[in-house]
Amino acid sequence: EPEVTQTPSHQVTQMGQEVILRCVPISNHLYFYWYRQILGQKVEFLVSFYNNEISEKSEIFDDQFSVERPDGSNFTLKIRSTKLEDSAMYFCASWNSRRNYGYTFGSGTRLTVV
Amino acid sequence: AQSVTQLDSHVSVSEGTPVLLRCNYSSSYSPSLFWYVQHPNKGLQLLLKYTSAATLVKGINGFEAEFKKSETSFHLTKPSAHMSDAAEYFCVVSEGDNFNKFYFGSGTKLNVKP
Repeated sequence: EPEVTQTPSHQVTQMGQEVILRCVPISNHLYFYWYRQILGQKVEFLVSFYNNEISEKSEIFDDQFSVERPDGSNFTLKIRSTKLEDSAMYFCASWNSRRNYGYTFGSGTRLTVV
Repeated sequence: AQSVTQLDSHVSVSEGTPVLLRCNYSSSYSPSLFWYVQHPNKGLQLLLKYTSAATLVKGINGFEAEFKKSETSFHLTKPSAHMSDAAEYFCVVSEGDNFNKFYFGSGTKLNVKP
């Protein structure tokens, strides 16, 4: 069964450093998403991406965040200057636009900011 | 506005006994509803989905859920728990056909005792 692949599985970074989280969505999917889950809290929507542009973003997704699809296969989330409160599990997801299917999520990247 | 309430943060059952994980939602639109499961160190896996077809939805691994509009509920059930069902379960709602953003419940951890 096709999978969404996220790398790395765990990243530790120093406060103020830039970090890039990488995702390889399912190849024929057209919609891409990032969600995050701070420890002990709900999974929260960050951003959705379609046709090479952001289609919706949450209030969490401020100027410190950006997303990119640099080639035909990768989908990245960049945090420019990490803060302690960015520590969370970040999930990438993709969708094939067929309403009778849900998203396919990756296994997540655990980001720890120290 | 959309929101999801999972009424139990932890549920513990004995192997072979029924499972009931409760979910209530609020939605301004005809919702699409999903249950996802997360095993330790794994991604979010789609269990089942309701998208305005049959109100009783069957999913993988013997799980099913019933959409009850009058009660705004979408409870997840399984007749007989297996040890491998131990995981965290998330109820998720989207705004009808708008899959641009999912709203997650806070999750229910299912413990299965031998």
